[in-house]
This record gives sequence, structure tokens and C-alpha cells, in this order.
Amino acid sequence: ILNVEQSPQSLHVQEGDSTNFTCSFPSSNFYALHWYRWETAKSPEALFVMTLNGDEKKKGRISATLNTKEGYSYLYIKGSQPEDSATYLCAFNNFGNEKLTFGTGTRLTIIP
Amino acid sequence: DTEVTQTPKHLVMGMTNKKSLKCEQHMGHRAMYWYKQKAKKPPELMFVYSYEKLSINESVPSRFSPECPNSSLLNLHLHALQPEDSALYLCATLSPTYEQYFGPGTRLTVT
Repeated sequence: ILNVEQSPQSLHVQEGDSTNFTCSFPSSNFYALHWYRWETAKSPEALFVMTLNGDEKKKGRISATLNTKEGYSYLYIKGSQPEDSATYLCAFNNFGNEKLTFGTGTRLTIIP
Repeated sequence: DTEVTQTPKHLVMGMTNKKSLKCEQHMGHRAMYWYKQKAKKPPELMFVYSYEKLSINESVPSRFSPECPNSSLLNLHLHALQPEDSALYLCATLSPTYEQYFGPGTRLTVT
């Protein structure tokens, strides 16, 4: 059984502040780590997929890093805005496996 | 075209009905997925088709029956569902670079 853990479960951040949260995953047989932005009652929106140790990806104010040796990824949001309020999901798949194992998400609320 | 489409958007069905959910993609992605998503929980994998063959069945009850008629289409046939099967059903594809693309989902209510 593959375990993907995200922390914290929820987070309240003042508008304009920067924040980050973590995804932990098994480091053996790693293939890819995915980050999604998810609003309740909608389908998840892909942010990043990362495959290489040390990878850093950026999309506007959101960026992510990957450490496959120790099995963690950070998602950073710079200068939070109310529209960043959502649940951020990470998902992991190991080599040769089409199944993505999802974490339970970090629910982010931006306080205006 | 980087879109996964699903029909219908909403479906209400009784416990004795038979209905089907449809999913379509034209990205040439070899793997197609069905997920079930309940409120405030992440997607829960049901089935994976790879090259039009069922490769993963996550012990889903037989009242859900998947079908992949060709590389662009994925169906989920529903029969004798229970109220607890009410959920958002998501179709997704996996690109060769392991990016997962989700459709908008079908909101199913079983009465």
C-alpha cells in the first residue's frame, strides 16, 4: 500500500502573505509526483507534474520543488490572493504503474 | 485539443434504472480512468483502461461496468445502484509524460 501524506490538513493565510505546504510519498521506485488545485464540486486542475529529483517548477505565483531521495515535495504560493483558496492535492505514481495515489489534500483559505 | 469531455453533466436515476456515463478524448492518450469523488474527499480510483484493455479494477462492485469501445471513448454502465453511489464521477486520461487530464465530471444522484 502506497501512502501519500499532506500537511497541514488546513491552513488560513492572510491575503498578501506567502505560504507553503508539504507532500510526502514513498521514495522507492519513484516515477512522478503531481500537484492539483481542486475546488469542491469541480474536477482537479493540474498544476505540475515532476519527475526528476531537484526539479523546480513555477506557474505565476505558485511553484513546487521535488526531493525524490527523501520523498517529499513542497508547494509554495507567493503573495496569496483570495482566488488561491482551494484544496491542493498531490498524487504519486511509481515506475510502470498507471495508478495515481492521491493525498488527502491541504485546504487553503485566504483571509482578505 | 487537450480536453476530456463527459456526458451527461448531471444524472438522477432510481435504484432500478440502467444508465451510462460517457467520456471522450482526442489527445491519443493510451490510458483512460474512471474515478469516484465524494464531497471533500480526493478522487477514488475505480478502473483504468490501457490500450483499450482493462488494466486496473479497484474491486469495484459489479453494478458498475466499464467499457472501452475504442481509444477515444470510455463508458461506465450503471445498473441497480444504491443511494450511497451518489457522487461526482470523473473520467481522466494519462499522457505519455504522465500528466493526468480530468474531465469535468458527471454529478450522479441515486434516488
